[in-house]
Amino acid sequence: SAVISQKPSRDICQRGTSLTIQCQVDSQVTMMFWYRQQPGQSLTLIATANQGSEATYESGFVIDKFPISRPNLTFSTLTVSNMSPEDSSIYLCSVDGGQRSSYNEQFFGPGTRLTVL
Amino acid sequence: AQRVTQPEKLLSVFKGAPVELKCNYSYSGSPELFWYVQYSRQRLQLLLRHISRESIKGFTADLNKGETSFHLKKPFAQEEDSAMYYCALETGANNLFFGTGTRLTVIP
Repeated sequence: SAVISQKPSRDICQRGTSLTIQCQVDSQVTMMFWYRQQPGQSLTLIATANQGSEATYESGFVIDKFPISRPNLTFSTLTVSNMSPEDSSIYLCSVDGGQRSSYNEQFFGPGTRLTVL
Repeated sequence: AQRVTQPEKLLSVFKGAPVELKCNYSYSGSPELFWYVQYSRQRLQLLLRHISRESIKGFTADLNKGETSFHLKKPFAQEEDSAMYYCALETGANNLFFGTGTRLTVIP
């Protein structure tokens, strides 16, 4: 499986500020994904981050609010901009299994727990 | 639109008892379904996928297209099975849609 790390693991932020979450993978991957898990809710895909092209956002998520960078095949960042308490969630990075998986398995990072006051 | 439904948020069973975690889906295309599991203080990880028809840690799941279900089953629950279980539907391009999850507690 892939080794995925996220920074920070958790943070408490003030309303109106922005936070950038980093995701690092131990090997090159084609696709990286960002999910959100709000309290008591399921995981929801925010966007797919592709190296060399703009991220693809799911319905309900926009680039101005969640800008994503993918400078290379092992790293991505998600920024939560102009935060409000409703953005309090766990944010997870995942990657496609590629050659490590026979099927379309995704490997998940440990998540970043964000609390917005 | 696609949808994944896990009707039980919480499920408790005694050790040694059979367990079934329900999952129903709605999708117009050809479904690819997965079960992901998150043990306490661990990251989310794949448990099994329907296409491989495998048994992992004693768990199996059969895709029933007629009933649009993908229930997860184990004949004899163990304490280490206590975890959060998510059913997920892949709709293409690696996009996964998750159910709301079922927290399984196995009582010693």
